Parts: sequence; structure tokens; C-alpha cells
Amino acid sequence: DADVTQTPRNRITKTGKRIMLECSQTKGHDRMYWYRQDPGLGLRLIYYSFDVKDINKGEISDGYSVSRQAQAKFSLSLESAIPNQTALYFCATSVGRGAGSGANVLTFGAGSRLTVL
Amino acid sequence: AQTVTQSQPEMSVQEAETVTLSCTYDTSESDYYLFWYKQPPSRQMILVIRQEAYKQQNATENRFSVNFQKAAKSFSLKISDSQLGDAAMYFCAYYGAGSYQLTFGKGTKLSVIP
Repeated sequence: DADVTQTPRNRITKTGKRIMLECSQTKGHDRMYWYRQDPGLGLRLIYYSFDVKDINKGEISDGYSVSRQAQAKFSLSLESAIPNQTALYFCATSVGRGAGSGANVLTFGAGSRLTVL
Repeated sequence: AQTVTQSQPEMSVQEAETVTLSCTYDTSESDYYLFWYKQPPSRQMILVIRQEAYKQQNATENRFSVNFQKAAKSFSLKISDSQLGDAAMYFCAYYGAGSYQLTFGKGTKLSVIP
């Protein structure tokens, strides 16, 4: 099984629908991240969490919310999906200690491709 | 805020030849790390190479090496003996010890010509 599992892998939905993307990890990492990838724009950070009680907005959090249900689970929600949220979404994890010990090395999930019609 | 710039949206290389992908970054931090990630058509993000800013020696991983010019804030990736499996999107990324975030460039699409 993958260290970081994202579900669903692919999803097509309609404008206005609520969507949840889920991420679970077996790495035992404290830190979890949600990124969005658009063609020509690279990956941009949506939200990140350093532990269950510590959730922070990233560069492009508008229109998204997250929930850290447990150390191993971090879900991303689109309350009312719109077409410009069509993108590839990545969950990632890293250790929670100082940067010198590997906190900067992210392990990525396989991505969730979301299409909003 | 830190920025990462990849000025080459697309590049191509002949199989077995060498190619260099460019990356520049802007930061006021002194403690940071730089990365190159590969994204093949499978869309999986694969770490290629990592460079600590405090190290003067350039990182190498088999056929992959970097040219890290700290004063110029430049971090290029050299791929030697290019193989068909090297065809992918390559992303340069920056991690600042103070920001605790990984910031990506927009990517360079590398094609390998048989």
C-alpha cells in the first residue's frame, strides 16, 4: 500500500456540489499539506497542518476548507465547487521536527484529479 | 514571500545527451533547502535531488547533478546521458526554515528524443 493515499483518484462533479478529497498516511508524519496543480502554474499550497490542532492557510485557501481528523488523516473540502477549481490536487506529508532533520522532504500522494462542470 | 522562477516552459534533449534545466529563486532567508521534483505522465511527484543552502558542494544523484550558485540565487539541474524515462515535468522548489512551506516553480516540460 502507498505511504500517502488519496481518494478519489478522479472525480467529475457539477458546479455547486460539495466535494471532499481525503488523504491518509502511514508514514507517522506530523505535517500534512494540500497542494493544487494547474497547467503552467506549478503547485500552489492550499492548506497545511503541523498537528491535529494546528491548521494554517496557504497561498490559495479561498473556496476551500480542511479537517485534520487524526494525525494520519487530512481532508480537503470544496463547499460549493466551481469550474475554476478544476485541477489536480496533491496531499503531502513530512516529519514534524526541525528543518534540518527532514521536515523539508515531502512525501506526495498520487494526486486527485477533480473536474467541475 | 519567496518566489521560484523556471524560465524554460519546455525543453528537449536527444537521448544520451546532456541537458540543463534552469531555476532561480528569491529569498531573504539564510537557512533553506532547494529541490528538484520530477512528474512523469503517471503524475506522481518524485524527488530527484535536494540541496542544503549551507553546503557549498553541489548535490549529485547518479545522472542528476545541480549547479548551486548561492550568491546568484540560481539552482540548475543537469541530466547526463538522458534516457527516454527522463521525459517528464520538472519542478524546482524552495523550502525556507522560517516559512516551513515548500514553494514550487511553474515547471519545465522535458522531452527526450530517441
